[in-house]
Amino acid sequence: DVKVTQSSRYLVKRTGEKVFLECVQDMDHENMFWYRQDPGLGLRLIYFSYDVKMKEKGDIPEGYSVSREKKERFSLILESASTNQTSMYLCASSMHGDLSSYEQYFGPGTRLTVT
Amino acid sequence: AQKVTQAQTEISVVEKEDVTLDCVYETRDTTYYLFWYKQPPSGELVFLIRRNSFDEQNEISGRYSWNFQKSTSSFNFTITASQVVDSAVYFCALSEAESGGGADGLTFGKGTHLIIQP
Repeated sequence: DVKVTQSSRYLVKRTGEKVFLECVQDMDHENMFWYRQDPGLGLRLIYFSYDVKMKEKGDIPEGYSVSREKKERFSLILESASTNQTSMYLCASSMHGDLSSYEQYFGPGTRLTVT
Repeated sequence: AQKVTQAQTEISVVEKEDVTLDCVYETRDTTYYLFWYKQPPSGELVFLIRRNSFDEQNEISGRYSWNFQKSTSSFNFTITASQVVDSAVYFCALSEAESGGGADGLTFGKGTHLIIQP
């Protein structure tokens, strides 16, 4: 079975803290993605990575950074958390290079609250 | 720029009714992929279907069916004989293939919250 796991389901942090959200996939996928989901806005892409140590900005990268040191792990970093980063964060992965394999598999999400 | 519109924010029907979720997309690419995902109350998005831009055949999977029409840029999803377990938020999404290799994010619609009442 395809599996994407995220380190926490719920997280509460204070304004200004550095926050790490971890995502691990066991499918040997090349591509990994971070989205945030907000009511009325749907899912928006923050960053993605198509290979180890490679990263690309998505639609809303401001205030975030990412790290991909190993193929199976993709970390989202909030350098200085702010209240407007309170959201549900979803990690996903997909295969690369095969035009028939574009579907992304999602983790269960991390609901982050910044107070 | 690509865009996906799900005009129905919320739909409520009684069990066993048929229901159609609308999805309209915009893209300038000739090669693209369309997807539907289901997000049950547990929160995890579940992949339902992928359709590429060159394949306009409709698809049926059990009680689910999808109608892809390039002429109207629509990819609608119909649930026949709905059940309470179908209650979820459903997302339509678009991926443009010209970025190469699938290494690009999906553009999602805002989702339709489907409520099936017993």
